[in-house]
Amino acid sequence: NAGVMQNPRHLVRRRGQEARLRCSPMKGHSHVYWYRQLPEEGLKFMVYLQKENIIDESGMPKERFSAEFPKEGPSILRIQQVVRGDSAAYFCASSPWGEQPQHFGDGTRLSIL
Amino acid sequence: GEDVEQSLFLSVREGDSSVINCTYTDSSSTYLYWYKQEPGAGLQLLTYIFSNMDMKQDQRLTVLLNKKDKHLSLRIADTQTGDSAIYFCAERDDKIIFGKGTRLHILP
Repeated sequence: NAGVMQNPRHLVRRRGQEARLRCSPMKGHSHVYWYRQLPEEGLKFMVYLQKENIIDESGMPKERFSAEFPKEGPSILRIQQVVRGDSAAYFCASSPWGEQPQHFGDGTRLSIL
Repeated sequence: GEDVEQSLFLSVREGDSSVINCTYTDSSSTYLYWYKQEPGAGLQLLTYIFSNMDMKQDQRLTVLLNKKDKHLSLRIADTQTGDSAIYFCAERDDKIIFGKGTRLHILP
């Protein structure tokens, strides 16, 4: 019974490159959430998706960031033209439906050179 | 706006009880959660409580909710070295809002 799977665990990019972070929810979960954690900080909500729909993207920066959760395959968080300030741990969580507790993956640690 | 506050550090002797406190601002929160994060890992859901409950007990964990004061606490009985981690309080209305975490340090 696999949990939430995120890959890669670590990702290094140079400024200006693109970063793609993947998240496969737990089996039977159709709701996915992305969070960002800066060092010594709590998690900040970024976006909430269901299959093929963005439900709430109020925490997403207006530019360079996008997220999708296609009918088939994992959810993708995409950061274009990365900058140093994008360095953080990005966590994905999933739940079977919106009201249920969220289960988290181990995160992707993004480092920008 | 919505906010969750918790103290940043707590030191407890092995075998004693740990009490981690949290205050929140959103009175319409439906769920309140405690998550545990070990170094380099994601967040592990420890326990949660519905907003219409006062208390929930699960083995060594006891959650107390004072809705009037918007205060949530997590008590860990018989604290062990494996309990050393960061504990996040979180509230949920339409989205989850996390505190900055309490780093629990276990003294021998």
